[in-house]
Amino acid sequence: GDSVTQMEGPVTLSEEAFLTINCTYTATGYPSLFWYVQYPGEGLQLLLKATKADDKGSNKGFEATYRKETTSFHLEKGSVQVSDSAVYFCALSSFSGGYNKLIFGAGTRLAVHP
Amino acid sequence: NAGVTQTPKFQVLKTGQSMTLQCAQDMNHEYMSWYRQDPGMGLRLIHYSVGAGITDQGEVPNGYNVSRSTTEDFPLRLLSAAPSQTSVYFCASSYTRTGGSYGYTFGSGTRLTVV
Repeated sequence: GDSVTQMEGPVTLSEEAFLTINCTYTATGYPSLFWYVQYPGEGLQLLLKATKADDKGSNKGFEATYRKETTSFHLEKGSVQVSDSAVYFCALSSFSGGYNKLIFGAGTRLAVHP
Repeated sequence: NAGVTQTPKFQVLKTGQSMTLQCAQDMNHEYMSWYRQDPGMGLRLIHYSVGAGITDQGEVPNGYNVSRSTTEDFPLRLLSAAPSQTSVYFCASSYTRTGGSYGYTFGSGTRLTVV
């Protein structure tokens, strides 16, 4: 079945460091890909999305490019801030068994220190 | 404020007890769903609804019931709580099944402990 694999955390960085969180997927067809962010004590928020190959999603300085050839959707940010500390989830939308659903990776916790 | 409201935020149950987790949204979204979040496993879909009166099972439905009598509300019922149901539960809604351009809107979660 469809699945999403994320790099394990936690990822610990200093402020202004470069961030990469790896995400690869397995899917039949052409799923849409998402990154969600969960701040402490809150629900998930959509960070960015891409709906077809070579699309680049971007928001709040974060970027991810839909790479069909490598089945990847890695999240990057050039200069992280303490306020970026959160758990990041990669997800894909999958149509199977008669319905669409989001399939999530396990999540990667990011801690940014001053 | 517009969004998805979940209650309660925290709950402790004894094994065998039943309870209902509440979820309400005021965005007139057709699609609502329940997920559980467990360490190292991401979020898994429990049940979902594509409109009032229409519900169906997700990937981990056992031990849970849902109903959708109005567009706004989508309660999740635990019939007989078990320790394996200790988890954080999230309700989510969207305009469409795929989330459309805005994705899903999630509630802030209910942390449930079954002892």
